[in-house]
Amino acid sequence: DAKTTQPPSMDCAEGRAANLPCNHSTISGNEYVYWYRQIHSQGPQYIIHGLKNNETNEMASLIITEDRKSSTLILPHATLRDTAVYYCIVTRGSGNTGKLIFGQGTTLQVKP
Amino acid sequence: DTAVSQTPKYLVTQMGNDKSIKCEQNLGHDTMYWYKQDSKKFLKIMFSYNNKELIINETVPNRFSPKSPDKAHLNLHINSLELGDSAVYFCASSPQGYNSPLHFGNGTRLTVT
Repeated sequence: DAKTTQPPSMDCAEGRAANLPCNHSTISGNEYVYWYRQIHSQGPQYIIHGLKNNETNEMASLIITEDRKSSTLILPHATLRDTAVYYCIVTRGSGNTGKLIFGQGTTLQVKP
Repeated sequence: DTAVSQTPKYLVTQMGNDKSIKCEQNLGHDTMYWYKQDSKKFLKIMFSYNNKELIINETVPNRFSPKSPDKAHLNLHINSLELGDSAVYFCASSPQGYNSPLHFGNGTRLTVT
């Protein structure tokens, strides 16, 4: 599975959009981009995933560049409860032998 | 209605003891996992089971043995506990392996003294 690079930390003002970048320049054609987050003392929580097209759900939007070498997770209106470590993961979309490899992630601090 | 539940939430024990952590999911998922999160907060996969069959077995000491009595349960047994086993252990499940999102439990914090 391709590796990802994320900034170690970011701040965001409450109510503003949080844009979390991720580089995955070695991604291959059948690999998906997944985003999870881990709020302190809890298990990781799935946010969103995509292959080529931009995706949106009730939690966030995922913007994937045309060459698929990078992506951005957007939390449209960040709240204090969005303070967490956000993980960008690239993994194959077929079968169940792939592995979710968690990196260091980005620690997002939402400030009042 | 917790989807993935682990017990116990906290486990404090002495070196050399044998302990078990239980995991149950009520989502009807086929695949279950154990992850370990160490003091540096890195999450690493340990095991993956699909329909009670071992699929992934990372480089984990033989002292760790997963057991899946049925599709909804994946328990983790640890023999001869060592100080380095202290960590938070997360159970997870998914419908079709890594095709689909994982649902994690809230973890078991194991402290070996």
